Amino acid sequence: NAGVMQNPRHLVRRRGQEARLRCSPMKGHSHVYWYRQLPEEGLKFMVYLQKENIIDESGMPKERFSAEFPKEGPSILRIQQVVRGDSAAYFCASSPNGQGGTEAFFGQGTRLTVV
Amino acid sequence: AQSVTQLGSHVSVSEGALVLLRCNYSSSVPPYLFWYVQYPNQGLQLLLKYTSAATLVKGINGFEAEFKKSETSFHLTKPSAHMSDAAEYFCAVILGSSNTGKLIFGQGTTLQVKP
Repeated sequence: NAGVMQNPRHLVRRRGQEARLRCSPMKGHSHVYWYRQLPEEGLKFMVYLQKENIIDESGMPKERFSAEFPKEGPSILRIQQVVRGDSAAYFCASSPNGQGGTEAFFGQGTRLTVV
Repeated sequence: AQSVTQLGSHVSVSEGALVLLRCNYSSSVPPYLFWYVQYPNQGLQLLLKYTSAATLVKGINGFEAEFKKSETSFHLTKPSAHMSDAAEYFCAVILGSSNTGKLIFGQGTTLQVKP
């Protein structure tokens, strides 16, 4: 049973380009969370999705950021017109049921560098 | 409002010494509590979790943590540090009022183990 797969592991984008980060949850998991880790900081919640639904996007910046989790395929975190401040590690976690006491499994992250 | 506070961004211990990493939370409803470890350029791995069963929780790699409601604390301990324990440690909480499994992380504590 493969773990949570994120790709790419490293992504370099120039200012103004688009970044697309992918997350394939563990087999059987239909709940996905995205977190961002800025340098020297802890992880901050961004968005929580179930298949085809955004459940909680309270941590998403109001502009340029979007997320989806289609019926088929991986979850995608999309950042349009990237700026230097978007440079961070982005982690995806998946869970079988989204309940508080259930462990969420993390991927290895995508490290985005904006130049 | 800060829900999780980790006291000490850096902790240094000698190999074989006691490890104590501090975590305090703020929640009016009993929360779910977690400790994660992150090795350089890796994702997060769950060490242990508290979900309202036993207050003393044993985890992997010899770590344990005790939930103390009166002190709103969930400190992580290990009797004898090993060089391989050097990493960053995150305390996290799922608020009791949450029904989404969203994790709120502390700022993290970097553990250094000296030979």
